[in-house]
Order: sequence, then structure tokens, then C-alpha cells
Amino acid sequence: QKEVEQDPGPLSVPEGAIVSLNCTYSNSAFQYFMWYRQYSRKGPELLMYTYSSGNKEDGRFTAQVDKSSKYISLFIRDSQPSDSATYLCATSRYTGGFKTIFGAGTRLFVKA
Amino acid sequence: KAGVTQTPRYLIKTRGQQVTLSCSPISGHRSVSWYQQTPGQGLQFLFEYFSETQRNKGNFPGRFSGRQFSNSRSEMNVSTLELGDSALYLCASSLGDPTNEKLFFGSGTQLSVL
Repeated sequence: QKEVEQDPGPLSVPEGAIVSLNCTYSNSAFQYFMWYRQYSRKGPELLMYTYSSGNKEDGRFTAQVDKSSKYISLFIRDSQPSDSATYLCATSRYTGGFKTIFGAGTRLFVKA
Repeated sequence: KAGVTQTPRYLIKTRGQQVTLSCSPISGHRSVSWYQQTPGQGLQFLFEYFSETQRNKGNFPGRFSGRQFSNSRSEMNVSTLELGDSALYLCASSLGDPTNEKLFFGSGTQLSVL
């Protein structure tokens, strides 16, 4: 079993739709939860960063963490064609050093 | 502020050769992590260095090694290359602070092993 499970998609939505991306993780010791966005031929860029449970909002993006069910979500409101990318969830904990574990990534296509 | 710089951008090698990849972190970042990205396995953690010391290591064979210099620049070496080593190798830098694990990635080195 992978430590972080994520549906690779692809997910195709029309412009303006609300997008919901999800991951589950297995290790309850994880403390930090992130979402990264990766465009083709580029490295991942940090979108959202959360410590422990709760919600975090940044513009059109909302990240949710439910530690009781080990579930991580990212919502994108009013999706735009420029949001078309691969979205990677990630978790981490500090054990004298960091080892961030990534999900497989979900490919998102937003159609104009 | 300059981002994470990885060189070279592309590499083509043959089986059995060795390769060295370079990473210059964001100024002030003391931690450098390396990842291998393939379509089948996604992003897999190789190792993390902080102040010239390897703090964490993933599940890769000993052919994969790295080091970090006093200016926080890092190199990764792969010896006796295999076809399965073809991948995008990504370097990420961070402050390395226990309360803050925000990774900033470079654009990667695309390695092709023929």
C-alpha cells in the first residue's frame, strides 16, 4: 500500500466549474499537508500548505485536511484553462529531517 | 530572488555509465532534497541534505548517492546506469526548519539512458 493514494485521472471539466481533488494517506504521524501544481516540463510549485487539520483558503483555492479520516482535499473555484496541470498532494513529518511523500498526481484539464 | 537551478537540463547516457547532476538552492536555504519522477512511479524521494549532512534517505540502491557543499549546493551521482534510471530528477530546496517544510523545486534534469 502506498503511503499517499491519489487518483491519477485525467479529470476534464468545463471552464468555471468547481474542481475537487482528493488524496488519502496511511500514516497518522504526518503533520504537514501540501498541494503542488506541476505544468508540463516544469518542476512542481507549492500551492497550499497546511499544518495539522482544518481548512485553508487562498483566492480560488481551498485546502482541507481531515486527520481523523486521513483525507486531504483541494477545491478550485471558477476553474480556468490556465489551471490545466497536474496536481500533487503531499504529506510530511519531521524526524530529524524531512521526507515529503507525494501522491501520484491528478491531471486536470479545464476546457474553455 | 533567484529560484532553484538545476544543471544540465537534459542528459543522454548509455547503460553502465555514471552521471552527476547539480543543484543550486535558493539563497538562504540550507536543505536540499532530491526526487526521481517517472510516469509509472510518480515522485519518489531519494535523499535530503542539510548543512552538508544526509538527514534522510529513500529506498533507492547504493548506486544513487549525493553530497552537499558548504555553500548548500548539492550534487547527485548515479553510477552504473540502468535503463530504468531514465527519469526526471528534481531538486528542491527549503529552509530545513522543523516547523516549515515548504519545498521549492527546480525545473529538473531529464535523464535518458540508452
